[in-house]
Amino acid sequence: NAGVTQTPKFRILKIGQSMTLQCTQDMNHNYMYWYRQDPGMGLKLIYYSVGAGITDKGEVPNGYNVSRSTTEDFPLRLELAAPSQTSVYFCASSYQGRTNTEAFFGQGTRLTVV
Amino acid sequence: AQTVTQSQPEMSVQEAETVTLSCTYDTSESDYYLFWYKQPPSRQMILVIRQEAYKQQNATENRFSVNFQKAAKSFSLKISDSQLGDAAMYFCAYRNSYGKLTFGQGTILTVHP
Repeated sequence: NAGVTQTPKFRILKIGQSMTLQCTQDMNHNYMYWYRQDPGMGLKLIYYSVGAGITDKGEVPNGYNVSRSTTEDFPLRLELAAPSQTSVYFCASSYQGRTNTEAFFGQGTRLTVV
Repeated sequence: AQTVTQSQPEMSVQEAETVTLSCTYDTSESDYYLFWYKQPPSRQMILVIRQEAYKQQNATENRFSVNFQKAAKSFSLKISDSQLGDAAMYFCAYRNSYGKLTFGQGTILTVHP
């Protein structure tokens, strides 16, 4: 199994540009998440989804958009990139049951906005 | 709102000794899930241990164990017989019954030979 796959691994954006971070999982998980991690800091929740067609804001949603049209995919859209969005982005997914509840993470995307 | 607090930005331990990392959380729910994750310099997120709130027994995984105090909303991680490979950033995380997963600020663990 591939698990959670994020693309790209690295990206440099200019201020004002837009991009989509891709995330796909092959574990049939209902729950999916996007986090950002600034250097030396914890993971902050941007958006999450509990199933196809259902998304909700996390702690830091401003400047981002998401969609969840399928169980497998949960892309994160950055519109009008700003230097404050320079960070490492993680996608994760987890099972919705009462056991085996841990989240599985992608390898991360290092984004630099210049 | 659910919040997770790790009050120890940094901790250190001698190899083969025991160290405890603290975590508290704020919730009004009774059904939830708690986790400890390890993040080495590679940035990979690795599950260390999980605890379901409906289980009274503290979870253990080899050298790792937790002290889950539901009434106190406390979830500490004990690492026994510390090894050099345990050095990493450790994150406590809380997931509510609706799927929202929140992380603490992290604790950097240094292991001295």
